[in-house]
Amino acid sequence: EMQLAESGGGLVQPGGSLRLSCAASGFMFRDYDMHWVRQGAGKGLEWVSSIGAAGDTFYAGSVRGRFTVSRENANNSLYLQMNSLQVGDAAVYFCARITRSDAYDLWGQGTMVSVSS
Amino acid sequence: QSALTQPASVSGFSGQSITISCTGTSSDVGSYNFVSWYQQHPGKGPKLLIYETRTRPSGVSNRFSGSKSGNTASLTISGLQAEDEADYYCCTFVGSDASHFVFGTATRVTVL
Repeated sequence: EMQLAESGGGLVQPGGSLRLSCAASGFMFRDYDMHWVRQGAGKGLEWVSSIGAAGDTFYAGSVRGRFTVSRENANNSLYLQMNSLQVGDAAVYFCARITRSDAYDLWGQGTMVSVSS
Repeated sequence: QSALTQPASVSGFSGQSITISCTGTSSDVGSYNFVSWYQQHPGKGPKLLIYETRTRPSGVSNRFSGSKSGNTASLTISGLQAEDEADYYCCTFVGSDASHFVFGTATRVTVL
């Protein structure tokens, strides 16, 4: 069964850092572009970052320079290093697999990030 | 990059059909045929319902259908069922400096 499982969320103070992980299983992880999408409490979905199968990375303007996406194909893992966290970054973070039709066909259950002093 | 505009809520009686609109601009929905739709139940990750504007993935009920006219994409749910009560989002690629993908503002579907 194809699955994505996020971990690493938690409570952090403003200005702090967290590293999220996403473990993939049941498919050829190395062949897919992977994305991070977040959802603030009671809010809609917001695209955060992506990393291509070839390692090319892209970021939303709101996180560029603070977040870094990476992948480790040998371990079927996706990561999101989040630095200089702000209150506005508090959200459930989902990792998602994207198809060649620019559709997210596989999602994790999400991991919650809280930012508060 | 602004979110695509969806109605905040749509409701219908069991067995009826409803349509959710997703309005963008000529730079996103209007010029790109890769619009996708997602269903999200509380506390769960989203589920892909439609891709390439009107194509259903394997396993998705044929009660869900997609279409587009101009800058507005639409999702129609036919034969509304209690299990369809959820939040729905559209999404498309925009490729702007602010964001590569943009989602709709979410529509809460209520089955009366």
